[in-house]
Amino acid sequence: NAGVTQTPKFQVLKTGQSMTLQCAQDMNHEYMSWYRQDPGMGLRLIHYSVGAGITDQGEVPNGYNVSRSTTEDFPLRLLSAAPSQTSVYFCASSETTGVNYGYTFGSGTRLTVV
Amino acid sequence: ILNVEQSPQSLHVQEGDSTNFTCSFPSSNFYALHWYRWETAKSPEALFVMTLNGDEKKKGRISATLNTKEGYSYLYIKGSQPEDSATYLCAPSGGSNYKLTFGKGTLLTVNP
Repeated sequence: NAGVTQTPKFQVLKTGQSMTLQCAQDMNHEYMSWYRQDPGMGLRLIHYSVGAGITDQGEVPNGYNVSRSTTEDFPLRLLSAAPSQTSVYFCASSETTGVNYGYTFGSGTRLTVV
Repeated sequence: ILNVEQSPQSLHVQEGDSTNFTCSFPSSNFYALHWYRWETAKSPEALFVMTLNGDEKKKGRISATLNTKEGYSYLYIKGSQPEDSATYLCAPSGGSNYKLTFGKGTLLTVNP
């Protein structure tokens, strides 16, 4: 049982490049989300999904795109990377039935845009 | 976006001390309150999820209480150990369990 798997762990991009951060979970969780962590700030929600085929924006969605074609996978796409997107990105998943479930987080992707 | 305040920002205690942190959040439209423990170089790990006013949860030496009417939650650690050193995050959600708003956390350092 791997939990939530994020790849890659580290990435350096040039301004204007695009890339996809991968997130996969094997717990059959309906809910998945992407957060970014910046110094001095709390984790901020980028996009989330409550099930396959359903996505919605969080607090800081600009410059990012998501899709949810399967329950297991929730990739985050950077369309045209900017230095302001330098951050640590975390994917998290949870069951949606009931309220007594915390999130399971992946190990994070550290992205640097130069 | 909820306004979430955690205090103190950081805390240094000696091994064996008991300590507590505070999480403040808007009391209106409350749905759930999560606590997470985040060790350096790891990912956040869920401690508690609380939903009802007056809820108390306990896991070993760590416990938490919830007051939804006044909008605060306390996290207590009894007899702190060096392995308790971590950042403790609280995250309330309003309206659903889907959109947590995380506080900036309280960084706890326990000195042996």
